[in-house]
Amino acid sequence: GESVGLHLPTLSVQEGDNSIINCAYSNSASDYFIWYKQESGKGPQFIIDIRSNMDKRQGQRVTVLLNKTVKHLSLQIAATQPGDSAVYFCAEKNTGRRALTFGSGTRLQVQP
Amino acid sequence: DAGITQSPRHKVTETGTPVTLRCHQTENHRYMYWYRQDPGHGLRLIHYSYGVKDTDKGEVSDGYSVSRSKTEDFLLTLESATSSQTSVYFCAISEEKNTGELFFGEGSRLTVL
Repeated sequence: GESVGLHLPTLSVQEGDNSIINCAYSNSASDYFIWYKQESGKGPQFIIDIRSNMDKRQGQRVTVLLNKTVKHLSLQIAATQPGDSAVYFCAEKNTGRRALTFGSGTRLQVQP
Repeated sequence: DAGITQSPRHKVTETGTPVTLRCHQTENHRYMYWYRQDPGHGLRLIHYSYGVKDTDKGEVSDGYSVSRSKTEDFLLTLESATSSQTSVYFCAISEEKNTGELFFGEGSRLTVL
């Protein structure tokens, strides 16, 4: 069945480096993808989204890349800061579903 | 921060007892959702609502019911709690139907003994 998952459960980076968090999806009908950040003890927070008619979208210090050929999504964080330490979730949606499907998450640890 | 309040934030209960979690929003958003979060599973949708008295099942709805009698309140009820329902429950709201931009509450941690 369709699924959304992540390659790496934990990613550790040095402060100031760039971070790349990956996500694979299996449903070729997915046409909308979202990244969320969840800090400890809090609810998830929307970061950025991208629709399937785009390959790349940039926000403030974040970039999302979508490769529909291999069904792969990535979140790039530039100049990673300690405040970026959190769990990051990708989520997907398609027009046939009324709600989002979330992946299981990747923990980002930023080392000072 | 979006005006979403979940209550209670923490609850410990015994197997077989009824439990109701409340989500209250002050944003007047039409769409509301209940998710549960468990290690290794991410967020899974329990039920959602597209308006007053308009609710539908998500992927893990068994053992749960919901009600929405007012725009601002979305209640999640466990009629007879089981240990498998020990989890962190998140309420979310959205302004649009086809958006992925959900605003989440702080979560309600439920422990069923």
